Amino acid sequence: EVQLVESGGGLVQPGRSLRLSCTASGFSFGDYAMSWFRQAPGKGLEWVGFIRSKAYGRATEHAASVKGRFTISRDDSQSVAYLQMNSLKTEDTAVYYCTRVRAGSPLYWYFDLWGRGTLVTVSS
Amino acid sequence: QSVLTQPPSVSAAPGQKVTISCSGSSSNIGNNYVSWYQQLPGTAPKLLIYENNQRPSGIPDRFSGSKSGTSATLGITGLQTGDEADYYCGTWDSSLSAWVFGGGTKLTVL
Repeated sequence: EVQLVESGGGLVQPGRSLRLSCTASGFSFGDYAMSWFRQAPGKGLEWVGFIRSKAYGRATEHAASVKGRFTISRDDSQSVAYLQMNSLKTEDTAVYYCTRVRAGSPLYWYFDLWGRGTLVTVSS
Repeated sequence: QSVLTQPPSVSAAPGQKVTISCSGSSSNIGNNYVSWYQQLPGTAPKLLIYENNQRPSGIPDRFSGSKSGTSATLGITGLQTGDEADYYCGTWDSSLSAWVFGGGTKLTVL
């Protein structure tokens, strides 16, 4: 079955770190860029960042709101994408979704496969 | 404040048609492809439309997308109660070098 499964969410104190994982199955993970999104409680969707495939140098880009604190990486041998979150703030509280990216250029991008999400709560 | 502007809510009766607008600028919608996502209550978003007007396999032709200039529109015909959801438009913003969404539109089927 083609799917993405996020894990690693939970309750964490402000200023601490957390690493989320996104495990892919049913498709050739290494051929695709992957992206992370988040959704704060009762709010809309927010892009967090992406990591391109090996063919594009595994380049990453992160949203301004998380740049310098969050880092996306991938392990193609394990079909896993990661979101390392450091210096967490209360406003980072959200459900975090992992997605598969379609198309080569961001101008054409769309996200055709989503995980069910994992909840991160930042609170003291 | 979202980069793309959507109406907060729309409503229509079962069997009727509804359109959801998404307004942007030349740095996003005006020069890049738009996709639309449906988020049913308590679930993850799901791709509805990509490349402005293409439907993935499994998406019924009741759903359609269009783009003109710096605006895009999602159309839904033959409304069903199961269509009640939040709908989001999204695209790449070349000035921000970021993916941007609209704020989302809540569809109510009365």
